[in-house]
Amino acid sequence: TQLLEQSPQFLSIQEGENLTVYCNSSSVFSSLQWYRQEPGEGPVLLVTVVTGGEVKKLKRLTFQFGDARKDSSLHITAAQPGDTGLYLCAGVLGSTSGSRLTFGEGTQLTVNP
Amino acid sequence: NAGVTQTPKFQVLKTGQSMTLQCAQDMNHNSMYWYRQDPGMGLRLIYYSASEGTTDKGEVPNGYNVSRLNKREFSLRLESAAPSQTSVYFCASSPDRRGRGYTFGSGTRLTVV
Repeated sequence: TQLLEQSPQFLSIQEGENLTVYCNSSSVFSSLQWYRQEPGEGPVLLVTVVTGGEVKKLKRLTFQFGDARKDSSLHITAAQPGDTGLYLCAGVLGSTSGSRLTFGEGTQLTVNP
Repeated sequence: NAGVTQTPKFQVLKTGQSMTLQCAQDMNHNSMYWYRQDPGMGLRLIYYSASEGTTDKGEVPNGYNVSRLNKREFSLRLESAAPSQTSVYFCASSPDRRGRGYTFGSGTRLTVV
């Protein structure tokens, strides 16, 4: 069972459409990160959200952290083919020996021209 | 360019063979991590090193060993490779124990036949 559940797993849309990707958990995270990964490359950090209810914008991408810090969403406005990629959410869990990221399964987004 | 460097990029092993995956970062980060990525399962943590001189097991450590050689380098060893270890392996680093701002390498694609 995944600690972080992402939905949908696959999304294929036309250029110009809007979309939302969800990341849900029953655990509370100290922070949550979103990454984008392209084929043959490692994930690249897009944003980190720390405070419950926090909203961050990165051009056409809007990220929100849930009030209880258990869930997050990524909304893309007017998607473009360049947005195609695997989007991963990851939550930070703490421990006495150091924090580490736990990843969701990812959402594979394809934006068709 | 500054970042995380992984070698090799591709490797094919026979069952039972051993190998070491190398990882080095030049960002003066304290914490380093090894993940594996499999279809439909996201990234799963194998081992991590919160700081130089310490290593801890992650979610899927069986069949692997690690060495934090110095602050820059963190290697992953497969003593006796098995087909179940066929995967893409990513090394990552972060500035501190809080788990924020991960930088990933470009990955090693390992096939065990």
